[in-house]
Amino acid sequence: GNSVTQMEGPVTLSEEAFLTINCTYTATGYPSLFWYVQYPGEGLQLLLKATKADDKGSNKGFEATYRKETTSFHLEKGSVQVSDSAVYFCALSSGGGADGLTFGKGTHLIIQP
Amino acid sequence: DTAVSQTPKYLVTQMGNDKSIKCEQNLGHDTMYWYKQDSKKFLKIMFSYNNKELIINETVPNRFSPKSPDKAHLNLHINSLELGDSAVYFCASSQVNNEQFFGPGTRLTVL
Repeated sequence: GNSVTQMEGPVTLSEEAFLTINCTYTATGYPSLFWYVQYPGEGLQLLLKATKADDKGSNKGFEATYRKETTSFHLEKGSVQVSDSAVYFCALSSGGGADGLTFGKGTHLIIQP
Repeated sequence: DTAVSQTPKYLVTQMGNDKSIKCEQNLGHDTMYWYKQDSKKFLKIMFSYNNKELIINETVPNRFSPKSPDKAHLNLHINSLELGDSAVYFCASSQVNNEQFFGPGTRLTVL
């Protein structure tokens, strides 16, 4: 079956530091890959996505590249801000119609001023 | 303007009660979902509906019964609530094979 593995948190960084959150996946076929962000007390918001190998998703300074050879979709940002503090979820959809997303366990990111 | 809305936002109830959570989307999507987020933030799909038809029913107790009166609504009814049902429940919607849009969540606490 499908599965997503992402680094456990919390991850604590200083403002303006470089961020990497690792994500690897196992799936049949050619899944679409997503990063969602959950701010405290809120629902999930789509941060970025990639639908095929070598695609790069980007939004709000965050980037992730779909690497089929390493089955990875690592999230990066060059300079984090306090407002980036949230829980980040890597997820995949195997694209079989109305299938649900398979999520990683989430990484809690804390940015200190 | 809200794309996916859920009511109520908070629900506190006693064990054994029956409760419902409502979800509505105004995005014109064909597919709607229910997810459960446990205390460790882990998210798991419960159900998905496409054009009012049940597509996915993960290993969820039959005390949980989704109902979709039309494409824009997917309600979740829970019978005989148990302590382990305490969680945050998220509704989501999408067009088939596209990204999912999530509601704000309903925090259910069973006492």
